[in-house]
Amino acid sequence: SQQGEEDPQALSIQEGENATMNCSYKTSINNLQWYRQNSGRGLVHLILIRSNEREKHSGRLRVTLDTSKKSSSLLITASRAADTASYFCATEASNYQLIWGAGTKLIIKP
Amino acid sequence: NAGVTQTPKFQVLKTGQSMTLQCAQDMNHEYMSWYRQDPGMGLRLIHYSVGAGITDQGEVPNGYNVSRSTTEDFPLRLLSAAPSQTSVYFCASSPTGDASGPQHFGDGTRLSIL
Repeated sequence: SQQGEEDPQALSIQEGENATMNCSYKTSINNLQWYRQNSGRGLVHLILIRSNEREKHSGRLRVTLDTSKKSSSLLITASRAADTASYFCATEASNYQLIWGAGTKLIIKP
Repeated sequence: NAGVTQTPKFQVLKTGQSMTLQCAQDMNHEYMSWYRQDPGMGLRLIHYSVGAGITDQGEVPNGYNVSRSTTEDFPLRLLSAAPSQTSVYFCASSPTGDASGPQHFGDGTRLSIL
């Protein structure tokens, strides 16, 4: 079963533009995590946002969390070619199990 | 500090064969997990471990076994490979001892079952 679902499934933008992807989930959470996966590689942790936080920043990344709507968004500002990757959200099904969305595939065109 | 290391990177098996996917981490993390990644789907948890000697099933455990004899190693065994097990397998570890914190991933094992 998938708790988190990313939207859109794919996104293609010009270098320098901002990219926004969304994640929806179904049950209450303690935190929500975002990861990046470059082609042929493992996932890399980007940001963790706790349920009592509404917004978090890390460099060019901005994550928001709306627990009333059970949704989160990841904004990448001033995109670069190196941002081309798939992005996943993950939430906890239990203390020891994460549930993952199917991901958003982001392509940055030069 | 190598992080999470998975071997092999690629493997082709015939139906019915068995094999072990290796995972090792050098960060002294107690929590380790195995996922499979299939096209168009999110990662699905196969098995996890919260420390040496302790393992438990995830969402899709059938056809797989694990053991955890040391903190560093968490091998995944395919008992009798089936085409449905063709997938990319990822091992992960976490410093928080559970799934609540950042997960560190290996680069995966790409497995094809003919």
